[in-house]
Amino acid sequence: EDKVVQSPLSLVVHEGDTVTLNCSYEVTNFRSLLWYKQEKKAPTFLFMLTSSGIEKKSGRLSSILDKKELFSILNITATQTGDSAVYLCAGSGGTSYGKLTFGQGTILTVHP
Amino acid sequence: EAQVTQNPRYLITVTGKKLTVTCSQNMNHEYMSWYRQDPGLGLRQIYYSMNVEVTDKGDVPEGYKVSRKEKRNFPLILESPSPNQTSLYFCASNQQGGNQPQHFGDGTRLSIL
Repeated sequence: EDKVVQSPLSLVVHEGDTVTLNCSYEVTNFRSLLWYKQEKKAPTFLFMLTSSGIEKKSGRLSSILDKKELFSILNITATQTGDSAVYLCAGSGGTSYGKLTFGQGTILTVHP
Repeated sequence: EAQVTQNPRYLITVTGKKLTVTCSQNMNHEYMSWYRQDPGLGLRQIYYSMNVEVTDKGDVPEGYKVSRKEKRNFPLILESPSPNQTSLYFCASNQQGGNQPQHFGDGTRLSIL
């Protein structure tokens, strides 16, 4: 059975702090690792990672994948209150395209 | 505007009364999925579809049915809903399976009494 585990489950920081969110995965026929941000409604896409060691960046957010250790991290630097959300990672794999397994999510709260 | 549209957004119903949640996308995506989200459990995939008339079970398919008769639509059917199906449901679509990110609808909150 495919499994994705995120840590920590929740995190409280102050504006300006840097945070690192962790995601480990065991996914059959692994294809990609995806990160999403979920505020009040639907998850919104952040990154998709398919190759080990290649950092993807978008503003203050960055992410990297380690396919040997089956691990990914999401970094957020200089956090802002608008970064408060649930961050979800998901592994894509399975015997046919379309199977996606999500972790439980990390609840990030950024205080002013 | 590219979007995934779910209806209804909210529904309160009773045990055993068949219901359908519709999902439609306007991006010509081949892949569509249904998820349920419960506190502490994250998003769990119910069913997914790779194209018209091609569907497969996700991690929690019991108690649900789907059909994909047209590319743009992927309804979720609860033939005999039970209280343990009370949840927040999301439909999503994407191009080319696992190599493209999924676009999510705004969610349907179902309460089954």
